[in-house]
Amino acid sequence: QVQLQQSGAELVKPGSSVKISCKASGYTFTSYDMHWIKQQPGNGLEWIGWIYPGNGNTKYNQKFNGKATLTADKSSSTAYMQLSSLTSEDSAVYFCARLGYGSYSYWFAYWGQGTLVTVSS
Amino acid sequence: ETTVTQSPASLSMAVGEKVSISCKTSTDIDDDMNWYQQKSGEAPKLLISEGNTLRPGVPSRFSSSGYGTDFVFTINNVLLGDEGIYYCQQSDNVPDTFGAGTKLELK
Repeated sequence: QVQLQQSGAELVKPGSSVKISCKASGYTFTSYDMHWIKQQPGNGLEWIGWIYPGNGNTKYNQKFNGKATLTADKSSSTAYMQLSSLTSEDSAVYFCARLGYGSYSYWFAYWGQGTLVTVSS
Repeated sequence: ETTVTQSPASLSMAVGEKVSISCKTSTDIDDDMNWYQQKSGEAPKLLISEGNTLRPGVPSRFSSSGYGTDFVFTINNVLLGDEGIYYCQQSDNVPDTFGAGTKLELK
């Protein structure tokens, strides 16, 4: 079965960067986009972007251009998201997610357990 | 970008009642609307996908309707285990956007 296992919680200082991971199993890693979604406490969900591990192509929500960088390691079936120049606004739970597909649309079918990033001095 | 306006922000219901949640989109998205349930400390779980289709294993108490810009999510005969936050999400155009969520509490 599809499983997405994310790295643990991070406490980081303002102005620094953090890199979180999402290890995939149960499917062919290089055949599906990996998406990343942000959830701030008490707030809703924001789509950050996706990476296609097969060729490294990426697409970002304009809002996260320059903030998030998505990469993937095919050898370990692991996707990564680096967040840079961190501020308190980046404190959130970050999810990786894989799509499911229907006859004409898609949805976020599989989710990691989430990684809490706390930005604090 | 398509804005998704979800209401109400919260609901307090008794067991057995009917729950209705509305999502309105700023653009016509056909029926490319998905609905998720998120319980405390967990990732969202997909309940309903394209064309108001109930996902396998999801109880038939859950349903949705709508097309274009107006969508409604319904829980008939709500149970204690249905507590959580419910989100709608449009997948018609990029960026994917979510409603702000509806927190469902059971009295």
